Formats: sequence, C-alpha cells, structure tokens
Amino acid sequence: EPEVTQTPSHQVTQMGQEVILRCVPISNHLYFYWYRQILGQKVEFLVSFYNNEISEKSEIFDDQFSVERPDGSNFTLKIRSTKLEDSAMYFCASTLGAGWSTDTQYFGPGTRLTVL
Amino acid sequence: GQQVMQIPQYQHVQEGEDFTTYCNSSTTLSNIQWYKQRPGGHPVFLIQLVKSGEVKKQKRLTFQFGEAKKNSSLHITATQTTDVGTYFCAGPGGFQKLVFGTGTRLLVSP
Repeated sequence: EPEVTQTPSHQVTQMGQEVILRCVPISNHLYFYWYRQILGQKVEFLVSFYNNEISEKSEIFDDQFSVERPDGSNFTLKIRSTKLEDSAMYFCASTLGAGWSTDTQYFGPGTRLTVL
Repeated sequence: GQQVMQIPQYQHVQEGEDFTTYCNSSTTLSNIQWYKQRPGGHPVFLIQLVKSGEVKKQKRLTFQFGEAKKNSSLHITATQTTDVGTYFCAGPGGFQKLVFGTGTRLLVSP
C-alpha cells in the first residue's frame, strides 16, 4: 500500500539554526499538508499546498516557516530560525482528491524535531 | 476560532470492558473524521461520517454523528490491548484544513 514517507525521523538542532524537514507524499496525490504535534497534545494544522502554492495556513505558520515542492516527489518544510517552542513532532500528509477536507488525509510517520 | 473538544482526556479500562469517547465542536461540521494514533505513531484514518445522525460500524467500533452535526462519538465494545492509543476526532476548519480534537488516550490492561 502506498504511504507517505518522511525524513529524518528525528532531528536535533540548536536554537536559531535552520532546519528542513522532508516528505515524499503518495505519488498520485495532489494536496499536501504539514501538521505539528507538541508532545502529549493535539495535532495542529500548519499549512496546505496545491499546485505549487500555499492554499491555506494557520496562525502558527509565520514568516519563519516556508514550504516548497522542489521536484516532482519531495515536499519540504523549512524553519528558518528555530525556537525552543518549535520542538514537536511534524507530520506530513497528502490527499488524492480536489482538496476538499472530506478527503482522507494520509499521514507520514513524522519527524521529531528537538530544539536545544 | 473553531474548537473541537473531546472527553474524557484519558481512560484506563480492563480488557473486555467497553469504551466511549465524545467529541464536541463549537461549530456545525459538514463531516467528522476519526483517527487513531498508537503510542509513538502517526494518526491513522479510521472513518468519516457525513450525514446527520449517521451511525457506522467497523467490527467492535461504532461511530455516531449527532443530529445537529456538532458532536460525535466513538464506542469500542469489549476492548482489546490492541485498542491502546489516542483517538482523535477531526472536522474541517476551512477548505483544506482539518481541526483535530483534543484526543482521548485509551489504556487497556490485560
């Protein structure tokens, strides 16, 4: 069964450093998402992406965050200058359909980001 | 903004007991989705409910969507240790955005 993959599984960085989290969505999916989950808390939407553009973003997704689809398979989340409070699990997800939120979102295994 | 709350936050049951988690949205939802997250894992889609009053079953799991489309429940009959995890409901918060509930963590003792 096709699945979303993410690398690395765990990233440790120093405060103020830039990090890039990578995702490979399911190959025929059209819409891509990033969510984060602070330890023990709920999953929070960050951003959705379609046709090489951000479709929607949350208030969490400020100027320190950016997303990119650099080639036909990867989808990346960049945090320019990490803060301690960016420590969380970051999940990538993708959907097949027209982006309606009724479509099933397939989540990757996540990248645990630890900012020291 | 839209809020989706779940109760209880945590439940510990003995294997074989039933379990229910309740989900309440501050706004009417066009649909509700349920996800299961195993400890250390990622959210896995379980089901989607669309119609008012809809009830769906998956083996020992029964999902309900309220008549007003603002609440939902998940009931597990005769829990097993494999049911351990956190159960999240999620509703659309925008065109492509899912708003997740606060989650109910289920622990099942053998």
